[in-house]
This record gives sequence, structure tokens and C-alpha cells, in this order.
Amino acid sequence: DSGVTQTPKHLITATGQRVTLRCSPRSGDLSVYWYQQSLDQGLQFLIQYYNGEERAKGNILERFSAQQFPDLHSELNLSSLELGDSALYFCASSVVTGDNEQFFGPGTRLTVL
Amino acid sequence: GENVEQHPSTLSVQEGDSAVIKCTYSDSASNYFPWYKQELGKRPQLIIDIRSNVGEKKDQRIAVTLNKTAKHFSLHITETQPEDSAVYFCAASWEGNKLVFGAGTILRVKS
Repeated sequence: DSGVTQTPKHLITATGQRVTLRCSPRSGDLSVYWYQQSLDQGLQFLIQYYNGEERAKGNILERFSAQQFPDLHSELNLSSLELGDSALYFCASSVVTGDNEQFFGPGTRLTVL
Repeated sequence: GENVEQHPSTLSVQEGDSAVIKCTYSDSASNYFPWYKQELGKRPQLIIDIRSNVGEKKDQRIAVTLNKTAKHFSLHITETQPEDSAVYFCAASWEGNKLVFGAGTILRVKS
């Protein structure tokens, strides 16, 4: 157990819908990262927050957004869902930015039908 | 842009043999190189990492080497066991933040 929690574990929804994925980082970790893992794209960085502020952005679609709250938990919002959004979504956290180990949560498996 | 190439994509070895997975990164500013092991449907777990000021690091049966000049880093697993079977990902970090992952290597250890 990494200490990073993610809910829900599984999510099944229809095209066009909107979902919210939640992540709680390890106690004391200020940085939260979101990654998408699909069969054809591997592990792709989406976005990073540090202490409530957006720090870095990767290949995140405009239909996707995220935020980090004062208690440091983070939410990833996915809207106008398409079949291709089906993937495992991982959250990771680290103490600070820089060359620090990132601890991954168990992931949320999103299936868009 | 940033890119990490990983080879081979699949690797089958006999139990007790060694396994080597190689990665190449594109940005010379990279300074942190972790390796993750992922079992089916599970989260990636860090197994070893190396920073740019070190050339080699060992942890029991696992070792990582880094050649900054060639922008190569490799994972070496000795005396492989069936429980080593998994997908292994290399990654590189620069700008001190996001990890850029290689495409992964499926390692099968045959007993």
C-alpha cells in the first residue's frame, strides 16, 4: 500500500457523460500527478499540482480538468466522454517537486460504453 | 519533445537467468531515472531509481546503470524468479516534475 488512495476503483459510463475521479495523496505530500494508461498509449502524464497550484501540464485534453483542494486532495474531471477515454487513471504523489519518488495510487479503471 | 525509448518490448528468460532492459532518453537535462514494475491491473511500483550524479546503483538482485554521455540507462535483474514476471517501465524526469515513461517491457520468467 503506497498511502495514496483513489476513488472509485471502477467506473462505467456512457459516451457524452462527465465523471470525477478523486485522489488523496500520502500524508505530507504536496505534489499530485495524474497519469492516463491506455493499451495503445502507455503511461501518459496529464497534469501536476503542487500545494494547490497547477505546476505542469502534459497531453491533457481540453475536455479534462483537474484541481487540488486546500486539504491537498485532487480531483480529475473528464467531460464529454468518448470511447477512447477508456483507460486506467493513476494519481501519484511526492513530497515536493524535483527528483523525488512518486508514489502511485491503485488507479481508477474508466470504461466508456 | 521529451521522449524515452525502451527495448525490448517483450523478454522471455529462463528462471535463474539474467534480464536486461534498456532505455534511451532524449533530453540531456534529465536528472532522475526510476524503474517501475507493474503487475496486471495494479499500480506501478518503484523498484529502483538513479540520479544523474551516480553511474550505478544496486539493490539485491536488481541494478541500474546510467550513461549520461550516451543518454542510456539500463535495468539488470539477476537470478530471475517467476515472481519477477510483470511489465517494467523506465522513466525520466526533467524540469523536476513529470515522469515521461518508456513504452514498457513485458518480462516472462519461465520455470
